[in-house]
Amino acid sequence: EAGVTQSPTHLIKTRGQQATLRCSPISGHTSVYWYQQALGLGLQFLLWYDEGEERNRGNFPPRFSGRQFPNYSSELNVNALELEDSALYLCASRGDHPWGYNSPLHFGNGTRLTVT
Amino acid sequence: SQQGEEDPQALSIQEGENATMNCSYKTSINNLQWYRQNSGRGLVHLILIRSNEREKHSGRLRVTLDTSKKSSSLLITASRAADTASYFCATDGGNFNKFYFGSGTKLNVKP
Repeated sequence: EAGVTQSPTHLIKTRGQQATLRCSPISGHTSVYWYQQALGLGLQFLLWYDEGEERNRGNFPPRFSGRQFPNYSSELNVNALELEDSALYLCASRGDHPWGYNSPLHFGNGTRLTVT
Repeated sequence: SQQGEEDPQALSIQEGENATMNCSYKTSINNLQWYRQNSGRGLVHLILIRSNEREKHSGRLRVTLDTSKKSSSLLITASRAADTASYFCATDGGNFNKFYFGSGTKLNVKP
């Protein structure tokens, strides 16, 4: 099965601009999670979408937003970019599992966003 | 913060040695998971342990969980250079749909 795909791989933007990052989950997965990973640091939870709805949001300002489309792919938008938004943005999908809700996340390889 | 915290932050060993990394967390959990991240890439799920389990094995991996101490350990036996990566624990904070990651342990296995 094809894994989680993210595009673009790299994105360079100027402070104040907007960035759009895209994610296609594994076929059949309805949940999409977004994480921010600043260089050398851990993962900070951004957003969780399931069945087209935003289910949970991390401690990020409103200029971080997104959506999930009917085909379960997702988009992360970052408005008014700041230098500290430079990071690896990881998308993960999750589906049902025989274990029930104890199913793992499947990650894409991320989009490296650089804000200059 | 509900995030797990890994210890040590960095670990350097020789090929063939065992590597042990620890994770501590603050809230109750349903399960705890371990992931590996090769440099600059996405995370790969390694193993999941439920809150009612104390130990689990998968190949060269051994995970223990002590819910009374709110801690877990990941042991990689007979390490290989290919095990060089960052390792993260993820807890759910008692909510099956949440995943809280720590800051990771960076493992370097020298050939």
